[in-house]
Amino acid sequence: GNSVTQMEGPVTLSEEAFLTINCTYTATGYPSLFWYVQYPGEGLQLLLKATKADDKGSNKGFEATYRKETTSFHLEKGSVQVSDSAVYFCALSEGDSGYALNFGKGTSLLVTP
Amino acid sequence: DTAVSQTPKYLVTQMGNDKSIKCEQNLGHDTMYWYKQDSKKFLKIMFSYNNKELIINETVPNRFSPKSPDKAHLNLHINSLELGDSAVYFCASSQGQRGYTFGSGTRLTVV
Repeated sequence: GNSVTQMEGPVTLSEEAFLTINCTYTATGYPSLFWYVQYPGEGLQLLLKATKADDKGSNKGFEATYRKETTSFHLEKGSVQVSDSAVYFCALSEGDSGYALNFGKGTSLLVTP
Repeated sequence: DTAVSQTPKYLVTQMGNDKSIKCEQNLGHDTMYWYKQDSKKFLKIMFSYNNKELIINETVPNRFSPKSPDKAHLNLHINSLELGDSAVYFCASSQGQRGYTFGSGTRLTVV
């Protein structure tokens, strides 16, 4: 089977700090990798994705690179804002799992002014 | 237009009751899913349907029964509700591994 491991939270940062949320995965084949964000009281929004090795996904200042050699997909942002406070989920999808997303446990981020 | 809509948004019910959550997508996607998010925010796949055919059925009590009348709809029926069923249930759809879109969730509270 496949699995996703992401760093435990909560993560608390000051505004304009650098953010890294680690994510590693195990998979039998060549999965697609995703980062989702969940703001308080809301549903899940796709933040970025990458479908093959060395692809870099980016959106809203966030980026993550699909590293096959280290089976990682770490999320980074150079300067976080208070509005980035949310729960971030790393996920993968493989064809042999019927394309269902397999999520990590989520990392809660709190950005303070 | 909401791409994936699920109703109701909130559902409070007593133990032992039977309830349903409805989901509809207008994206033309072939695959629909139900996910459960527990109190610790952990998200887990429950079911997946592709063109009305069940393709994933994770270890879920058989009190949970999905029904897909057509590929745009995937409803979740829950019999004999238990306290542990309290969670947020998310419907989603995709076209293969592309275009995953989630509904806004149904918060189920069993009292």
